[in-house]
Amino acid sequence: AQSVAQPEDQVNVAEGNPLTVKCTYSVSGNPYLFWYVQYPNRGLQFLLKYITGDNLVKGSYGFEAEFNKSQTSFHLKKPSALVSDSALYFCAVRDFQGSSGSARQLTFGSGTQLTVLP
Amino acid sequence: DSGVTQTPKHLITATGQRVTLRCSPRSGDLSVYWYQQSLDQGLQFLIQYYNGEERAKGNILERFSAQQFPDLHSELNLSSLELGDSALYFCASSVAPAGSTDTQYFGPGTRLTVL
Repeated sequence: AQSVAQPEDQVNVAEGNPLTVKCTYSVSGNPYLFWYVQYPNRGLQFLLKYITGDNLVKGSYGFEAEFNKSQTSFHLKKPSALVSDSALYFCAVRDFQGSSGSARQLTFGSGTQLTVLP
Repeated sequence: DSGVTQTPKHLITATGQRVTLRCSPRSGDLSVYWYQQSLDQGLQFLIQYYNGEERAKGNILERFSAQQFPDLHSELNLSSLELGDSALYFCASSVAPAGSTDTQYFGPGTRLTVL
């Protein structure tokens, strides 16, 4: 079964500093990887995804993520954090070769609360 | 705004009752997914419909059911409600069935409170 781990419940960073939100995954086949962001009382917003190709994926709002197959990681990064980036971030994985419809669904991590301090 | 709409935004009801949550997918999307978000369970996939047919089931209780109508909107029915059913329920939509490279776009959610 596929799984996603976000090892940090909370990440604090000063405004203007680079930020990293960590994600590791486990799938039996090839992974499709996603990052979503959730602002308070809002739904999840899609940030970026990795399907294949270049290991560095660029997404919305200046975010990017690096796929590392050997480390089974897909960390979210931004060179310069903004206070408005403060939100809950979710990593998700889909196993393209899952054996059933259920197995091919998105599995989400537990989320990382990012706080950018002014 | 993702283009996925959900109604109502908030729902307060009592234990034992039945409620219906509604979702309209983005224009052109054929797949609808339902998720439950709670503090203790995180974000859990419940069920998926594609073009009116059930495609996959996740951790959905037998007290819960869903359907997708010919106009592609979907309803999630929750019955015999318990306190533990209090959660945020999200609907998401995508163009294709799961297993593709599709992105799921999420609605704003319905917050259900069971008293």
